[in-house]
Amino acid sequence: NAGVTQTPKFQVLKTGQSMTLQCAQDMNHEYMSWYRQDPGMGLRLIHYSVGAGITDQGEVPNGYNVSRSTTEDFPLRLLSAAPSQTSVYFCASSELGTPSSYEQYFGPGTRLTVT
Amino acid sequence: GENVEQHPSTLSVQEGDSAVIKCTYSDSASNYFPWYKQELGKGPQLIIDIRSNVGEKKDQRIAVTLNKTAKHFSLHITETQPEDSAVYFCAAITNAGKSTFGDGTTLTVKP
Repeated sequence: NAGVTQTPKFQVLKTGQSMTLQCAQDMNHEYMSWYRQDPGMGLRLIHYSVGAGITDQGEVPNGYNVSRSTTEDFPLRLLSAAPSQTSVYFCASSELGTPSSYEQYFGPGTRLTVT
Repeated sequence: GENVEQHPSTLSVQEGDSAVIKCTYSDSASNYFPWYKQELGKGPQLIIDIRSNVGEKKDQRIAVTLNKTAKHFSLHITETQPEDSAVYFCAAITNAGKSTFGDGTTLTVKP
């Protein structure tokens, strides 16, 4: 299993540009989520999904869109990038609804800079 | 919304000493409390977790305690080693899967 994969690893955008951060998992996990991590801070939940076709907002959803058309993929879209969105983005997945659920497996992260 | 406070933000110990990191959460719907270790340039990795129906859990040199009444949980690392140096995060997760993380503790273990 590859686990949770994220692409790209690094990205530089100009203010106003749009882009999609890709996330995929091959563990058949129902739950997937996106976090951003700013220097000196913990991870803040952007959006999450408990299954294909179901998404919900986290703590900091503004400026980001998600969709979940398949179990495997959970892309994060930045509609109009702003410097405040400069951060490291992590995707994570976990089983949900089983006794051993909730352990989240994190991808390696995407470092995004908006100039 | 949910808030998780984590203390201290930095912790420096001598090799062989113990390290304790504490977290407090606010949402009584939280029922799962994982601890993650994050090394530079990598994603967080789960090191130990505890569920709301358990008071303490141990795995070799690492232990976690939970006081659900007081909404406190703590990470204990004994006999620390230089390779324990990293950033540690606590989190509180609800039944619905909503995760809230603490701001992290940078642990430095001096040889």
